Amino acid sequence: SAVISQKPSRDICQRGTSLTIQCQVDSQVTMMFWYRQQPGQSLTLIATANQGSEATYESGFVIDKFPISRPNLTFSTLTVSNMSPEDSSIYLCSVEDSTETNYGYTFGSGTRLTVV
Amino acid sequence: AQSVAQPEDQVNVAEGNPLTVKCTYSVSGNPYLFWYVQYPNRGLQFLLKYITGDNLVKGSYGFEAEFNKSQTSFHLKKPSALVSDSALYFCAVRTNNAGNMLTFGGGTRLMVKP
Repeated sequence: SAVISQKPSRDICQRGTSLTIQCQVDSQVTMMFWYRQQPGQSLTLIATANQGSEATYESGFVIDKFPISRPNLTFSTLTVSNMSPEDSSIYLCSVEDSTETNYGYTFGSGTRLTVV
Repeated sequence: AQSVAQPEDQVNVAEGNPLTVKCTYSVSGNPYLFWYVQYPNRGLQFLLKYITGDNLVKGSYGFEAEFNKSQTSFHLKKPSALVSDSALYFCAVRTNNAGNMLTFGGGTRLMVKP
């Protein structure tokens, strides 16, 4: 199955600044998904990143706040812009992982963001 | 629209007793269903899935889940709970549209007491 390297694993940031999170996959994948997990909550999809086109954002998430890049089939970044304490969450990337014999999803280890 | 419901925020069970964590879903087409577990300060770990085939699915750490199409349920079960099973459990369903993303339930905190 695919392996995702996500970094940074955690960061503490000042309000008003931006943080870029990177996900590198060890195989080519069509779509990458970015999720947010607020403290004590479930995972909420932020956007789907498809190589060569603009990301598709879910309701409640906008490109100006969470710009996403997808320069190739193995890499994506999510930026959390103009951060406020409400952005303190775990951010995860994920890919659909399909082979001839197996199907599932692989998740990065997550980025724990604290905004102060 | 796809959705997943986990009706219990928390499930408490004594060690050695059977446990059930409930999940119901709503999805167009055939459901692809998943269970994940999250331990404190740890990443998301895959437990098991239902894609097709037998309704009873066996997964990691002795967990199993039963797919029930008529009740649109996919409850997670374990015959004998361990204190180390205490964690946050998420049910998820794949959306059957252009995105194929996972939609997660709200999560259920399992507390196993000695």
